[in-house]
Amino acid sequence: GPKVLQIPSHQIIDMGQMVTLNCDPVSNHLYFYWYKQILGQQMEFLVNFYNGKVMEKSKLFKDQFSVERPDGSYFTLKIQPTALEDSAVYFCASSWDIANSDYTFGSGTRLLVI
Amino acid sequence: GEQVEQRPPHLSVREGDSAVITCTYTDPNSYYFFWYKQEPGASLQLLMKVFSSTEINEGQGFTVLLNKKDKRLSLNLTAAHPGDSAAYFCAVSDSNTGKLTFGDGTVLTVKP
Repeated sequence: GPKVLQIPSHQIIDMGQMVTLNCDPVSNHLYFYWYKQILGQQMEFLVNFYNGKVMEKSKLFKDQFSVERPDGSYFTLKIQPTALEDSAVYFCASSWDIANSDYTFGSGTRLLVI
Repeated sequence: GEQVEQRPPHLSVREGDSAVITCTYTDPNSYYFFWYKQEPGASLQLLMKVFSSTEINEGQGFTVLLNKKDKRLSLNLTAAHPGDSAAYFCAVSDSNTGKLTFGDGTVLTVKP
């Protein structure tokens, strides 16, 4: 079936540097999401995005985080500056709408901040 | 906001035994309920999506039960096999924003 692609699959970065996680959502999907999963723990909602705007963000979505989807290309999550506690797996998801809630998840980007 | 509690955090069963994982949620207006399977290092695999109007769904080797009165969702693997060993997560969606609230997960180990 249709897939959500996440690039890169792994990223190691020095604390304080900027990182951009890229998500190529399913082509006709309109809603986009980022979730964070610390190793061995639950998936936690970060943010969702529709029509060029953030719909809702959680308390985990710190001021250092930002999302955008310029010109219908990748849906990106940028962290600037990174902190050690940002080390986690970040999953992107997309859906056609909200009412039917059919989500497609990517395979995740494993981010390690050192 | 919605809170989802999942039990047990770890579950070990013998091949052929049943395994039951349960979630409770708080928002009575929650409408969609999900069970996902996650193998180590992999993404989420959707097992089943349940609507509020449906109480029992049967999949391949498992049953999902939704009890709206008790705000309880359960996954029953009827005859577990080693390939079922993974982490399992329940999730509840917000019908206004599409946000998923996940349970803490259950690590299931099925021993031969």
